[in-house]
Amino acid sequence: GDSVTQMEGPVTLSEEAFLTINCTYTATGYPSLFWYVQYPGEGLQLLLKATKADDKGSNKGFEATYRKETTSFHLEKGSVQVSDSAVYFCALREGGSEKLVFGKGTKLTVNP
Amino acid sequence: DGGITQSPKYLFRKEGQNVTLSCEQNLNHDAMYWYRQDPGQGLRLIYYSQIVNDFQKGDIAEGYSVSREKKESFPLTVTSAQKNPTAFYLCASSTRTGGVPGANVLTFGAGSRLTVL
Repeated sequence: GDSVTQMEGPVTLSEEAFLTINCTYTATGYPSLFWYVQYPGEGLQLLLKATKADDKGSNKGFEATYRKETTSFHLEKGSVQVSDSAVYFCALREGGSEKLVFGKGTKLTVNP
Repeated sequence: DGGITQSPKYLFRKEGQNVTLSCEQNLNHDAMYWYRQDPGQGLRLIYYSQIVNDFQKGDIAEGYSVSREKKESFPLTVTSAQKNPTAFYLCASSTRTGGVPGANVLTFGAGSRLTVL
């Protein structure tokens, strides 16, 4: 079945450091891909998405590119802030399905 | 403002008791979902509903039950049959995808934390 694999956390960075959180997926067709973010004590919020190969999703300085050849959707940000501290989830939805499949999440802590 | 309201935020239950978690949305979304979140496990789908009076089991439905009598409401009951119910429960809703790529953007509630004593 469909699955999403994220890099193990936690990730700890200093403010203004470069961030990469790896995400790879397994799917039978051509899924849509998503990154969600969860701030402490809250539900998840959509951060960005991409619906086809080579699409780049971006929001709040975060970017991720849909790479079909490597089945990846890595999340990047050039300069993180303390306020980016959260748990980040990669997810996919197979075409025709109403269900999202989530990765296990990666906790990011940014220190001043 | 439109959104999803989950209640209660915190709930304590004794073993052998059933408890019901409330989820209400005013986004006019057709589809609603319940996820369970455990540390290091990510989100696992319990039940989902695409339309009133219809719902489907997710990956971990055993020990849970739901109803969808109104479009706005999708309550989850955690029964005494659930072996390890202590977890963070998240309700979400979305428009139906209709097969449109990327259309299934979920809006989440703030969650309910259930602890079994």
